[in-house]
Parts: sequence; structure tokens; C-alpha cells
Amino acid sequence: DAGVIQSPRHEVTEMGQEVTLRCKPISGHDYLFWYRQTMMRGLELLIYFNNNVPIDDSGMPEDRFSAKMPNASFSTLKIQPSEPRDSAVYFCASSFRDRGPVDTQYFGPGTRLTVL
Amino acid sequence: EDKVVQSPLSLVVHEGDTVTLNCSYEVTNFRSLLWYKQEKKAPTFLFMLTSSGIEKKSGRLSSILDKKELFSILNITATQTGDSAIYLCAVEMRSSGDKLTFGTGTRLAVRP
Repeated sequence: DAGVIQSPRHEVTEMGQEVTLRCKPISGHDYLFWYRQTMMRGLELLIYFNNNVPIDDSGMPEDRFSAKMPNASFSTLKIQPSEPRDSAVYFCASSFRDRGPVDTQYFGPGTRLTVL
Repeated sequence: EDKVVQSPLSLVVHEGDTVTLNCSYEVTNFRSLLWYKQEKKAPTFLFMLTSSGIEKKSGRLSSILDKKELFSILNITATQTGDSAIYLCAVEMRSSGDKLTFGTGTRLAVRP
């Protein structure tokens, strides 16, 4: 299996522009998580999906952030308009729960976002 | 407020040393605690702990959970330069669905 795939790996954009991050989870996994990592705040959960349905988006910073999962193999995280404080590494992770404690989350390589 | 606190924040040791990383938590309805290793890229899974007093071991790494005192330790013996990384602790709570709450991590540097 190729693991969790994220694109792009690096994104540099200017303030005010729209940014779209993409994620392909591991095939068969029914949970998908979006995280943001910064030096100051560490790893923060933004939103997660179960069977393509958003379950908890309480970590989404504000209305400029939105996430979708149109099918089991694809999710997007969009920032519009982007701001310099959004600069961070954004990770996507997926897992599979089989009626027990949550399985381990497998992380993608991350997207390093820089907003100038 | 649920908290996961790791200590120390950073650590520098020499090859061959033994290190102990700490993770304490204050959460409601604890379910499990997980350790991850993050090198240059994404975190990779190390251990999941759900029961007190049962040591999980993988090579030179081991971890144990104390649910009474609300902490876990990660031990690395005979450290190597390849152990240099950020070690993340995360807690899953029954009340929070399936999400993990991460600590800020311990940055370990192993010098030759």
C-alpha cells in the first residue's frame, strides 16, 4: 500500500489567495483526520471524518477553513482567504476502527504551507 | 480542559545513553494513550497503551502506562543517532469520539 498520500508537498502563496490541500487515505480506512502542526502549538486536530461524514470540526480555526470528503478515497482542506498565520505543516491521517479502540492513525507526509 | 503534557521539551544525549520521556495527562474518560515518533516528516506509530502496568516493548524502546497516576513513560536504551526525533504522546478519550489529543512533543537529539 502506498500509505496516505498528500499533495502538494510544499505550497507557497500570497496572503488572500485560496489554498487547497489534498489527501488520499489508505484504502479501506474509514476515518480521516486533518491536523495542523506549528512550533508554537504542536499538532492540532482540525477536523475528522467517519465514512466520509464530518464528525467533529471543532478544531477548525475559523470560517476561512473548510474541509470536504466527497468519497472514501479523497478529501480536501481549503483555506480562503489565506493569511500568514496559516503557515504550518498540514497532515492528513487515516485509520480503521473495527468495533474496538481506535486503530493507529497513519499519517501522510504533510503539506508545508507558507503564506507570504 | 483536557491536557496532555510532555517533558522534557527537549533533550540532548550521547549515543549509548538511556533516556526516559514522560507524558502526563488530565482528561475525562481516558481510553488509550499512544506514542509516535516524528523525524523529518510525518509521525509514525510506536505504541498504544490501554492497561496499567503492562509494558510494551519493541527493540530498544519500551513504554508503560500508569492509569492511577495518569502518566506514561517511553524508554529508549542504548540510544543511537537514528533515535533523534520528536516523540509525541497522544490520548484518546471515550467522550471525544475517535480523535486524539496530542502533547507538544519531546525533541530528542542523540549526539555521536
